[in-house]
Amino acid sequence: QKEVEQDPGPLSVPEGAIVSLNCTYSNSAFQYFMWYRQYSRKGPELLMYTYSSGNKEDGRFTAQVDKSSKYISLFIRDSQPSDSATYLCAMSAEGYSSASKIIFGSGTRLSIRP
Amino acid sequence: DAGVIQSPRHEVTEMGQEVTLRCKPISGHDYLFWYRQTMMRGLELLIYFNNNVPIDDSGMPEDRFSAKMPNASFSTLKIQPSEPRDSAVYFCASSGTGGNQPQHFGDGTRLSIL
Repeated sequence: QKEVEQDPGPLSVPEGAIVSLNCTYSNSAFQYFMWYRQYSRKGPELLMYTYSSGNKEDGRFTAQVDKSSKYISLFIRDSQPSDSATYLCAMSAEGYSSASKIIFGSGTRLSIRP
Repeated sequence: DAGVIQSPRHEVTEMGQEVTLRCKPISGHDYLFWYRQTMMRGLELLIYFNNNVPIDDSGMPEDRFSAKMPNASFSTLKIQPSEPRDSAVYFCASSGTGGNQPQHFGDGTRLSIL
């Protein structure tokens, strides 16, 4: 069993819809949770990060962590065609920092239809 | 800032050949990471350096893979001899110190071994 599981999609939704992307994990030591966005032919870029359980909001994006269920989510409101990308969850027991061993999900491919 | 620069962007070569991938990290960053991304295994950390010193190479798949960082502005990942199963996208990332610093990724080298 992988430490981090993520549905690969693809997920296709109409513009303006609310998108929900999810990951599950097995290592209860994970405390730091991240979402990366990866456009086609580009490297991943850090989108949001949260510590422990709870919600964090940044514009149209909300990250949610439920440690009791070992489940994290990324919600995108008022989705735009420019949000079309692959979204990778990532997590670590030690931090977001340089020296942390970060485990990535395999990514969910999202397409927003105009 | 120019970001993390990788070369070449694409490499196609025959099995058994030596392959050298190059990376220039963001100036001032003292951590450098090499990752491999495939559909089957997602994004995997191969090795990382701190101040040009290899810290953790436990992700390097086998002795055919080697990485060096001769100075703060340059790193190489070498595969010799290459095999078809090495085909993947290889990413370099860098980050700074001082608290939780996210990793900044390059655009990757798409490697195909025939």
